[in-house]
Amino acid sequence: NAGVTQTPKFQVLKTGQSMTLQCAQDMNHNSMYWYRQDPGMGLRLIYYSASEGTTDKGEVPNGYNVSRLNKREFSLRLESAAPSQTSVYFCASSEGGFVVYEQYFGPGTRLTVT
Amino acid sequence: AQSVAQPEDQVNVAEGNPLTVKCTYSVSGNPYLFWYVQYPNRGLQFLLKYITGDNLVKGSYGFEAEFNKSQTSFHLKKPSALVSDSALYFCAVRGDSNYQLIWGAGTKLIIKP
Repeated sequence: NAGVTQTPKFQVLKTGQSMTLQCAQDMNHNSMYWYRQDPGMGLRLIYYSASEGTTDKGEVPNGYNVSRLNKREFSLRLESAAPSQTSVYFCASSEGGFVVYEQYFGPGTRLTVT
Repeated sequence: AQSVAQPEDQVNVAEGNPLTVKCTYSVSGNPYLFWYVQYPNRGLQFLLKYITGDNLVKGSYGFEAEFNKSQTSFHLKKPSALVSDSALYFCAVRGDSNYQLIWGAGTKLIIKP
């Protein structure tokens, strides 16, 4: 039981390049989330998927797209990376979409855009 | 809009002493409040939550938090700190949507032997 897994762990991109961050969970959770974490700031929600087949914008969705591929997998795509997207990205999942449910986090992806 | 504040960037405590990590919030309606912990190079882990009921909430690893409605606070506490409690602690509150959390900036807790 791996919980929430993310790939890659580290990535360096040049401005304008694209990439997809992968996330998978094996807990049969309905809801999944993508956050970014910047120094001195709390986590900010980029996108979430309350259930399979649905996705919604969070607090900071600009410059990102997501795909809920199936119940297990939720990917985050940067179409044209910018230095402002340098951050640590966390994927999380929860049994239900309502915030009362405990969220389980992956280990994170550290992304640098030069 | 909902917001949460953690007024201390860092808290230093000697091992064996009680610890408190502070959190204050501003919400419209009933607050849903959470504490998570992040160990170095790891994702966040859930500690405890307050939704309704008893103002003193007990959580994982011996932590507890006290909900104080009049002071709009939800401070995290532990009676006797361990070196292994050293980590980054985040307070969070339900946002404008029932699906979103608003996170504090985090407090680094350092427990010295």
